[in-house]
Amino acid sequence: EPEVTQTPSHQVTQMGQEVILRCVPISNHLYFYWYRQILGQKVEFLVSFYNNEISEKSEIFDDQFSVERPDGSNFTLKIRSTKLEDSAMYFCASSRTTGGVTEAFFGQGTRLTVV
Amino acid sequence: GQSLEQPSEVTAVEGAIVQINCTYQTSGFYGLSWYQQHDGGAPTFLSYNALDGLEETGRFSSFLSRSDSYGYLLLQELQMKDSASYFCAVRANTGGFKTIFGAGTRLFVKA
Repeated sequence: EPEVTQTPSHQVTQMGQEVILRCVPISNHLYFYWYRQILGQKVEFLVSFYNNEISEKSEIFDDQFSVERPDGSNFTLKIRSTKLEDSAMYFCASSRTTGGVTEAFFGQGTRLTVV
Repeated sequence: GQSLEQPSEVTAVEGAIVQINCTYQTSGFYGLSWYQQHDGGAPTFLSYNALDGLEETGRFSSFLSRSDSYGYLLLQELQMKDSASYFCAVRANTGGFKTIFGAGTRLFVKA
């Protein structure tokens, strides 16, 4: 069964460093998303991406964040200068359509720890 | 903006039926989804309602009332493995599509 894959599964970084989280969405999906979940809290929307551009972003997704689809398979989230409060689980998700049944498939997440 | 309300915690016994409610406020409403998340795992899709009424998928059913901005997830014949967090999520188009999650309901199933 096709799945969304994320690498790395864990990332520890020093405050102020840049990190890139990588995702390979399901191959025939057109819509891609990043979410984060601080330990014990709800899943928070960061950004959606369609047709090689950002479709929607939340207030969390400030200038420190950027997304890219550098080739036909990868979808990346970059945090330019990490802060302690960026520590969270980051989930990538993809879906085939935006209307209709919107089953978003989630990757297993990257646990980011900023020290 | 968007907001969703769901109970923080529910406890039920094996074999029972439990209902998890969700009320929402959003513009550009498209549909209501439910996701299950076990500890340390990724959210997994359970169901989606775009129209009023009940959708049944095995032991799980989901209901939506658009006029009341309300939905629920119904879990029947509870099993221990159903112990998890359950998130309702609103699909909305506010100039772009996004899915906003509620805070989640922690379900504890007891023997």
